[in-house]
Amino acid sequence: KAGVTQTPRYLIKTRGQQVTLSCSPISGHRSVSWYQQTPGQGLQFLFEYFSETQRNKGNFPGRFSGRQFSNSRSEMNVSTLELGDSALYLCASSLGPTGTEPQHFGDGTRLSIL
Amino acid sequence: GDSVTQMEGPVTLSEEAFLTINCTYTATGYPSLFWYVQYPGEGLQLLLKATKADDKGSNKGFEATYRKETTSFHLEKGSVQVSDSAVYFCALTPGNTGNQFYFGTGTSLTVIP
Repeated sequence: KAGVTQTPRYLIKTRGQQVTLSCSPISGHRSVSWYQQTPGQGLQFLFEYFSETQRNKGNFPGRFSGRQFSNSRSEMNVSTLELGDSALYLCASSLGPTGTEPQHFGDGTRLSIL
Repeated sequence: GDSVTQMEGPVTLSEEAFLTINCTYTATGYPSLFWYVQYPGEGLQLLLKATKADDKGSNKGFEATYRKETTSFHLEKGSVQVSDSAVYFCALTPGNTGNQFYFGTGTSLTVIP
């Protein structure tokens, strides 16, 4: 069974640009969550989608947005990139909606802002 | 709000030593609790979980018991190996509010032969 797949693995952008990251969940998983991981802040929750609806949102500015498609694949978009957006962005999928099932993580997209 | 407080690292142990990594939580309602591990160069992997009070999660020789009275979920292993060197994260989900996970800051463990 294929795991969570994130593309691309690495991205280099400059300030002011925008970027779109992609995540394909494990087959059958309908919940997709996004996290930002940095050495200083650790793992911070961005948002969660279930059946194409955003159910939870973390404390990030509106420049961070996402969406989920009918096949459960998800994309995350960051506009007007800032140096502080440099991080590892992790996607995780879960089977159900209740939070009692574990999340399965992808290997992440490492975003570097120059 | 909901949160997880995890023991500061880094932790360095000799092979076969006993390991405890402390984790306490703050949550309203009935959270589920998890330990995740991140090996060098790899993604996060679920190590174990517990979904209600007094449950014990276990995997690969690691154990953690969900203690509601002390709001704790400490990770233990009786005899660590070099291959256990990794970063360990404690995490919770608040309950029936979806899959918003709150993670601790992570504890880096190095096991030396």
